[in-house]
Amino acid sequence: QQQVKQSPQSLIVQKGGISIINCAYENTAFDYFPWYQQFPGKGPALLIAIRPDVSEKKEGRFTISFNKSAKQFSLHIMDSQPGDSATYFCAASRSGGGADGLTFGKGTHLIIQP
Amino acid sequence: ETGVTQSPTHLIKTRGQQVTLRCSSQSGHNTVSWYQQALGQGPQFIFQYYREEENGRGNFPPRFSGLQFPNYSSELNVNALELDDSALYLCASSLPGTGNTIYFGEGSWLTVV
Repeated sequence: QQQVKQSPQSLIVQKGGISIINCAYENTAFDYFPWYQQFPGKGPALLIAIRPDVSEKKEGRFTISFNKSAKQFSLHIMDSQPGDSATYFCAASRSGGGADGLTFGKGTHLIIQP
Repeated sequence: ETGVTQSPTHLIKTRGQQVTLRCSSQSGHNTVSWYQQALGQGPQFIFQYYREEENGRGNFPPRFSGLQFPNYSSELNVNALELDDSALYLCASSLPGTGNTIYFGEGSWLTVV
């Protein structure tokens, strides 16, 4: 059972454009939603994360939008640059004593064309 | 730089063999978890250790086992290797009090032939 569904699987955006990646989750016990960036041959790097008490979080060019009622969250990359080309994973977990780890989406391969 | 170091970076094993992968975390990171990432997939949670005891496990069989040591290092052991065990194995650690903020190492690539 896939508890976190991520789309699209791949995405091509022109330099300077906005990249948007979407995720949906099923488990209402999830209360932590991070995004990870992974370059080939490297481990995932934490990019930005949000908790359900806010609907949006912005860090530099990266913004997470969160819709609790729809059980959806998305990553927006503003002014996308070729260096942003990587695979992006959304994830979810529950805190407060749970040790279930992070549940990841299947990833989005993002290509920023110069 | 996450401060999570893994070894070896690459290794090849034969089906049926056993493998030990190692991880070293930053001082104070008393929670360590291991993930399996198959090619083209997202990481999957194997298990988590807190203060040297396993306190959470994903959908992996008992032949996947681990250890955590007082010096913030840990091991992942896999017995009776199968071809489907070929994957990138990621170690991740977190600081107490930081909630779910998890930092990953670069991983160990395991190929089973």
